[in-house]
Amino acid sequence: DGGITQSPKYLFRKEGQNVTLSCEQNLNHDAMYWYRQDPGQGLRLIYYSQIVNDFQKGDIAEGYSVSREKKESFPLTVTSAQKNPTAFYLCASTLMGVQSTEAFFGQGTRLTVV
Amino acid sequence: KQEVTQIPAALSVPEGENLVLNCSFTDSAIYNLQWFRQDPGKGLTSLLLIQSSQREQTSGRLNASLDKSSGRSTLYIAASQPGDSATYLCAVSTGGFKTIFGAGTRLFVKA
Repeated sequence: DGGITQSPKYLFRKEGQNVTLSCEQNLNHDAMYWYRQDPGQGLRLIYYSQIVNDFQKGDIAEGYSVSREKKESFPLTVTSAQKNPTAFYLCASTLMGVQSTEAFFGQGTRLTVV
Repeated sequence: KQEVTQIPAALSVPEGENLVLNCSFTDSAIYNLQWFRQDPGKGLTSLLLIQSSQREQTSGRLNASLDKSSGRSTLYIAASQPGDSATYLCAVSTGGFKTIFGAGTRLFVKA
């Protein structure tokens, strides 16, 4: 079945530690996105990538980094510079070059600072 | 700056009732509007996608309408069931890979 797989489902980070969230898709989509969701708020865009080896900052990129070495994969690293990382992180993908396209989401990773 | 608002924030209805969820946006220059369902602790599942040139889309018991000129969309759920309990989010695509999400309406359908 085609879809987006995020791992792990739950992740715990100690103060000062970097952690990486995985996102893999087999939909053959060009564009991939990372969002952060906090209680009572809409999703906020962290980073997005339109093609391999290229990515753009979203609205809240500070303290995060990404890479796009393969079309299928778009991992997100939460660095120690992110002062409030506890949140629910969602990865999504869409076809590129088609503005009015449906977005598909993974099942999310819940990150907690301990 | 595009803003998306969903009212009410939470809604509780008895099973079998027809209901309407509201979404409003401030800038009518959108490419599409999408309604999603989110179950607790899960990702988003796409329900309906309305292109900017369309007025409505239907899927089963769901009907979504779009009025760009007034900056409004509604999601109509017919004959609600306990399994419909979830958070419903709307999102507008403004081009340039920008999608703006509302905070969602949390729906509880009582058996």
